[in-house]
Amino acid sequence: DSGVTQTPKHLITATGQRVTLRCSPRSGDLSVYWYQQSLDQGLQFLIQYYNGEERAKGNILERFSAQQFPDLHSELNLSSLELGDSALYFCASSDWAYGYTFGSGTRLTVV
Amino acid sequence: AQTVTQSQPEMSVQEAETVTLSCTYDTSESDYYLFWYKQPPSRQMILVIRQEAYKQQNATENRFSVNFQKAAKSFSLKISDSQLGDAAMYFCAYGGATNKLIFGTGTLLAVQP
Repeated sequence: DSGVTQTPKHLITATGQRVTLRCSPRSGDLSVYWYQQSLDQGLQFLIQYYNGEERAKGNILERFSAQQFPDLHSELNLSSLELGDSALYFCASSDWAYGYTFGSGTRLTVV
Repeated sequence: AQTVTQSQPEMSVQEAETVTLSCTYDTSESDYYLFWYKQPPSRQMILVIRQEAYKQQNATENRFSVNFQKAAKSFSLKISDSQLGDAAMYFCAYGGATNKLIFGTGTLLAVQP
């Protein structure tokens, strides 16, 4: 157990639908990062939150949004889903003494 | 903008042998971190080793070590005494002032028995 918890582990949904992915960071970490990994691809940075505030945005589509709550857990909302959104979505939290710790990911399949 | 390049899409090594994975990066920052992550078939991202740019000494973690050449912007990973469990995708990553990690495209390592 890395200390970063992501739910659900697997998600299958239809095109046009909306889903929410959840992440609880490692205890004590204030930063949460979301990454997308498509099949056989590297990890693409989506968005970063720090203590409830958005800190940085990457190549995140307008159909995607995220937030971080007072208890520091974060949610990534994906709407109007398309087949191309099928991917592994990782959440990570960081403490620069140790670097990033990744959750086990949510595998999203859009059918 | 920072970039990370892994020029070896695939590598193969015999069990018990040594293999080196290459990584180069580009940045104008002077203070940053470099990482190697392992992604086995389970797809979990596992931190293998990290290097602070201000440290001249190369990081070592058991059978894993790096060759960090700051001037050349090179950060290679050496795996000694390779084991079957080392078979995985390996990603080099850069972490700088923005705090987000920038990943290379990965090197798929196969370990032959």
